[in-house]
Amino acid sequence: AQKVTQAQTEISVVEKEDVTLDCVYETRDTTYYLFWYKQPPSGELVFLIRRNSFDEQNEISGRYSWNFQKSTSSFNFTITASQVVDSAVYFCALSEAGNQGGKLIFGQGTELSVKP
Amino acid sequence: DSGVTQTPKHLITATGQRVTLRCSPRSGDLSVYWYQQSLDQGLQFLIHYYNGEERAKGNILERFSAQQFPDLHSELNLSSLELGDSALYFCASSARGETYNEQFFGPGTRLTVL
Repeated sequence: AQKVTQAQTEISVVEKEDVTLDCVYETRDTTYYLFWYKQPPSGELVFLIRRNSFDEQNEISGRYSWNFQKSTSSFNFTITASQVVDSAVYFCALSEAGNQGGKLIFGQGTELSVKP
Repeated sequence: DSGVTQTPKHLITATGQRVTLRCSPRSGDLSVYWYQQSLDQGLQFLIHYYNGEERAKGNILERFSAQQFPDLHSELNLSSLELGDSALYFCASSARGETYNEQFFGPGTRLTVL
């Protein structure tokens, strides 16, 4: 069964702290894609990153980094030196090659609050 | 700005009514997806159209229907509305509708059923 679990419902940090958002997924497919999206208070969903199941290299983009580990079926997202503008709900999502058309299966989201 | 547009931004209506939500994909994108976001169900996939044809269906109610027109814009029709249909409805588009294509989301339509 396909499933994405974000166990952390809410996280609150103080500005400049590092924070890691956890994502665990379940899939029977050997080919799949993982995504992170950000939903700021304005409501739109913003694409952050895509990884495929064959590429376990970690990725860094500015203050953002992602750790993909197939052995633990996890795709965690770290924000370094958090800022107030990082406050948002973050969603992890899965797309399986076996699903025609690439529908996204989302986790429940983690609400991150960064306080000044 | 993702380049995906949705209208209207807000919609307030009564139970039993019918509404139409509209989506225009990013220029050049052939695929349109519809998702529903509610407090109890989270973000749920409804339906996917690729170049005018239905490609995949999620847990979309029979009261809901969608289509994609030759100019690639899409409409989601919700009928016999119930209180539980109140939600944020997102449209997303992608280049081809392949599994690996990232989807770009519109700003959403917030539907309130009273």
